[in-house]
Amino acid sequence: GIQVEQSPPDLILQEGANSTLRCNFSDSVNNLQWFHQNPWGQLINLFYIPSGTKQNGRLSATTVATERYSLLYISSSQTTDSGVYFCAVRQVGYKLSFGAGTTVTVRA
Amino acid sequence: NAGVTQTPKFQVLKTGQSMTLQCAQDMNHNSMYWYRQDPGMGLRLIYYSASEGTTDKGEVPNGYNVSRLNKREFSLRLESAAPSQTSVYFCATRTGRDTEAFFGQGTRLTVV
Repeated sequence: GIQVEQSPPDLILQEGANSTLRCNFSDSVNNLQWFHQNPWGQLINLFYIPSGTKQNGRLSATTVATERYSLLYISSSQTTDSGVYFCAVRQVGYKLSFGAGTTVTVRA
Repeated sequence: NAGVTQTPKFQVLKTGQSMTLQCAQDMNHNSMYWYRQDPGMGLRLIYYSASEGTTDKGEVPNGYNVSRLNKREFSLRLESAAPSQTSVYFCATRTGRDTEAFFGQGTRLTVV
């Protein structure tokens, strides 16, 4: 199956800093999502982005499908951005596979 | 419009007990999924239902059964709970293979 690797595994930021999270995948995909799991365990949809660039407020994402990676940008980070960020891609058929996540801690 | 609703939110079971986790969606989606999340790990697929009337195994199906009761509801059953099944369980839905998936709030299950 498709391997999904996220980096870095952990990220500590000072409030106001910018950061980039990376998701590499081992084969071409038609379906890629980014999620934020907040400290209470909720999975929040950030982007559905199989290709191209999208922006939502301080967050933006870019997927370069031909080069098999996606990037999530967090600008002017806030303490509410803390949590785990997951990317997920569709495997053959209907299965959605997740990376191991990047744990982000934003300090005030 | 509740989206994806899971019940219960928390459950403690004794080894060998059985229980059913419920998932209901009001998004009119065709596909439904059950995942488990263990500490420090991403989500792993247990079972899924591509459409009403079909179910298929995911990565970690052993010890679980599922029922797609109708288009709205997809249940996950543990027949004889084991401590290794202690986890957080998430239900998800989407319209088709290449569409956005939406998750419920999770069920935290502890087996003692």
